Amino acid sequence: GENVEQHPSTLSVQEGDSAVIKCTYSDSASNYFPWYKQELGKGPQLIIDIRSNVGEKKDQRIAVTLNKTAKHFSLHITETQPEDSAVYFCAVTDSWGKLQFGAGTQVVVTP
Amino acid sequence: NAGVTQTPKFQVLKTGQSMTLQCAQDMNHNSMYWYRQDPGMGLRLIYYSASEGTTDKGEVPNGYNVSRLNKREFSLRLESAAPSQTSVYFCASSVEGGGPTFGSGTRLTVV
Repeated sequence: GENVEQHPSTLSVQEGDSAVIKCTYSDSASNYFPWYKQELGKGPQLIIDIRSNVGEKKDQRIAVTLNKTAKHFSLHITETQPEDSAVYFCAVTDSWGKLQFGAGTQVVVTP
Repeated sequence: NAGVTQTPKFQVLKTGQSMTLQCAQDMNHNSMYWYRQDPGMGLRLIYYSASEGTTDKGEVPNGYNVSRLNKREFSLRLESAAPSQTSVYFCASSVEGGGPTFGSGTRLTVV
């Protein structure tokens, strides 16, 4: 089955700096790659996604890049703000079209 | 627009007790899911329903049953709760091929 690895597990950044989270996957047939943000006590919220026919997608301060050859994709957050502090999850569709999630990255933005 | 609504938000069970977690969505989504979230393990799929009248096992189905009551509602039942089922449970729904929208979760403790 699909194996999704997410790094780092924790990330501390200064406000205004950039944050990058990387995920690798094993199934070359995977074609959908969403990213979720989870704040304390809440459910995960979809923040950006990318499909396999696109290499990069951007939405304001958030961007996702996909390298299908190397089987990895990354979340980039620029100009980080305290409200970006949360747990971020990557996910990948497996051969049956169901999502497999990474273990999560705790991002802490310090003023 | 409520999105995905889960009840209850918190529950404490004794080992061997049974209970049903309720979920309803108002987005007219065909697909619905139940996930559990444990520390350091991301989100793991318990059961899913691709459409009204169909259900299928996910990654960790043992000890659970589900019912897709209609297009809006998808319930999760624990017949005989065990301490290993202590977790946060999330219901989610999606259009086919899209990223799920999650509810706010049920925090379940089995003592």
